[in-house]
Amino acid sequence: SQQGEEDPQALSIQEGENATMNCSYKTSINNLQWYRQNSGRGLVHLILIRSNEREKHSGRLRVTLDTSKKSSSLLITASRAADTASYFCATALIQGAQKLVFGQGTRLTINP
Amino acid sequence: EAQVTQNPRYLITVTGKKLTVTCSQNMNHEYMSWYRQDPGLGLRQIYYSMNVEVTDKGDVPEGYKVSRKEKRNFPLILESPSPNQTSLYFCASSQRGPYEQYFGPGTRLTVT
Repeated sequence: SQQGEEDPQALSIQEGENATMNCSYKTSINNLQWYRQNSGRGLVHLILIRSNEREKHSGRLRVTLDTSKKSSSLLITASRAADTASYFCATALIQGAQKLVFGQGTRLTINP
Repeated sequence: EAQVTQNPRYLITVTGKKLTVTCSQNMNHEYMSWYRQDPGLGLRQIYYSMNVEVTDKGDVPEGYKVSRKEKRNFPLILESPSPNQTSLYFCASSQRGPYEQYFGPGTRLTVT
């Protein structure tokens, strides 16, 4: 089964609202990363949070990590139409740390 | 421009006909990886390479081969393709280890 599972699978909001996506994982991690994919294109790295970090910001992105709950969230503030994409979390495991395991993704739609 | 290139971008082939998908990066990255993306399954890692002549299996290596003879190139070989290998394939690279990966544009493969 997948290491990372994302919730919700799909999210539709109005432009200007905040979007929150969640990721849960099963085994201990070295770090957790978030990627964006626009419709069938290659993924783009957004942000990496290490296992000893609890929160990280990058522009309108805020990522939190709770290792006790094995979960992470990605918050996009003041959403724009251009944020419409699929968002994936990916975990680099402590064991087998050279692998990167992706979740199934959240499909985000921003309505104008 | 920093980039990962893949060729071909689209390929339709028949069962059993050997094929190679090329991947090249111009960033002098040590780590390279291949993923396949299927609806409902997210991205799954096929093989990865830590450096020249160092490769290892990901989560779904069956039916695939790779080689890393040069730092910039990491071809994916399907010796005898089968219909269950119909998928969208991505090559990715990163400086060292599976962190902050740069993705290629993808290769859409159909095996009939």
